[in-house]
Amino acid sequence: SQQGEEDPQALSIQEGENATMNCSYKTSINNLQWYRQNSGRGLVHLILIRSNEREKHSGRLRVTLDTSKKSSSLLITASRAADTASYFCATFNQGAQKLVFGQGTRLTINP
Amino acid sequence: DAGITQSPRHKVTETGTPVTLRCHQTENHRYMYWYRQDPGHGLRLIHYSYGVKDTDKGEVSDGYSVSRSKTEDFLLTLESATSSQTSVYFCVCTWALAKNIQYFGAGTRLSVL
Repeated sequence: SQQGEEDPQALSIQEGENATMNCSYKTSINNLQWYRQNSGRGLVHLILIRSNEREKHSGRLRVTLDTSKKSSSLLITASRAADTASYFCATFNQGAQKLVFGQGTRLTINP
Repeated sequence: DAGITQSPRHKVTETGTPVTLRCHQTENHRYMYWYRQDPGHGLRLIHYSYGVKDTDKGEVSDGYSVSRSKTEDFLLTLESATSSQTSVYFCVCTWALAKNIQYFGAGTRLSVL
């Protein structure tokens, strides 16, 4: 089963608004990563937050991590049409020795 | 695509034919993975490799085999393609497991008719 589960599955907002996506996971983690996938392309790494961090920023991206709730959120501020993509969280499954991806949130930014 | 080249990028084949997808990387990644991505299923791990000639099965390995004779190349073979193997296949590489970023190839879109 997938370790990370994103919520919502789909999100549509107006350009300039903020977009928030959530991710829940099941087991303990070393870090949690967020990836973006543009249509027809592979996933691209956005940001990594370690288990001892609570918040991390990268440009217009803000990621929070709550290990007590086993959840993370990705906030994209001042959204642009180019942010239209699917966003995935990923956690490392220590037992299976692999990165496990959630199902993704499909974000649409309307002009 | 972070020095990862997948070939072919698109392929249409018939049921029952063998198909080999190639992943070539130039960054000396130790770990290489093959995933398939399907609507409603997300990304599922097929096989992975943690070094030359060291491979292991993922969650959906039935009908697939892999080989890694060189660090830079990871081959995925469908011995006898079936329509259920129609999918987008991604090669993913990383230098280390728990701490490192995963780098994706551009993907191969395979249609089995």
